[in-house]
Amino acid sequence: DAGITQSPRHKVTETGTPVTLRCHQTENHRYMYWYRQDPGHGLRLIHYSYGVKDTDKGEVSDGYSVSRSKTEDFLLTLESATSSQTSVYFCAISEGMAPLRDYGYTFGSGTRLTVV
Amino acid sequence: KNQVEQSPQSLIILEGKNCTLQCNYTVSPFSNLRWYKQDTGRGPVSLTIMTFSENTKSNGRYTATLDADTKQSSLHITASQLSDSASYICVVSGMYTGGFKTIFGAGTRLFVKA
Repeated sequence: DAGITQSPRHKVTETGTPVTLRCHQTENHRYMYWYRQDPGHGLRLIHYSYGVKDTDKGEVSDGYSVSRSKTEDFLLTLESATSSQTSVYFCAISEGMAPLRDYGYTFGSGTRLTVV
Repeated sequence: KNQVEQSPQSLIILEGKNCTLQCNYTVSPFSNLRWYKQDTGRGPVSLTIMTFSENTKSNGRYTATLDADTKQSSLHITASQLSDSASYICVVSGMYTGGFKTIFGAGTRLFVKA
C-alpha cells in the first residue's frame, strides 16, 4: 500500500515474549492508528496517535503499548504476548481525525501474528 | 448487540451478476458512512463515503445508498467480476455510547465464480 508499510508481515512468537510491530509512513500524516482484525469481528482500535509523543487508548488497549518518536514511525508493543493476541494487526494513517468527513483511512497490508 | 451489522456474512455469485450487500447501524447523531473493499492478505481500501445528507454515491460499478431514517446502507455491485472477490466492510462514524467513535462492521465475504 502506497505510503505505508508494516513490518514484519508475519511473525510467530512464544507466549510470554515481548513483540514489537512497526508501522512506517511516507505521507507525513498526523494521525496513525493500530487496529486488530479477528474473524467475526470488525476492526477494533488498539491505540492511536495524533502527533509525535501524543498517543491515546482505543477500545482494546489492554496488553498493548505504543510509541511515536517520529512522525513517520508508530510502534506497537505486546509486552508479554498471550494466545489471545493472535490476530492480524493493521496500521492506518489519516491526514485529519478519521471520523470527520474527508479524512478516510489508508491501511497498511497488515502483520499476521501467531502466539504459540 | 453489534453497533454495525452486515449481511449476509458471505455470498457466492456468478461472474457478470449483480449483488447487494447490507449494513445496519445504531448511532445518532450520524457523521459519515464508508464502504471499504479488503482483498485477501491486504488492508481495506476505501470505495465510497457518504454523510447524513447524501443518499447515494457511486464509484464505477459500486453504488452505495444510505437511508438515515432507517439507519441502513447498501452496497450494490453491478456486472460482477472475478476481481470483486473480497470482503466488503461498512464503517460508521458518529456518536455512540461513550463518545464519538468509528465502528467497523465484521464484513461480507463475496466470492465471484466464473
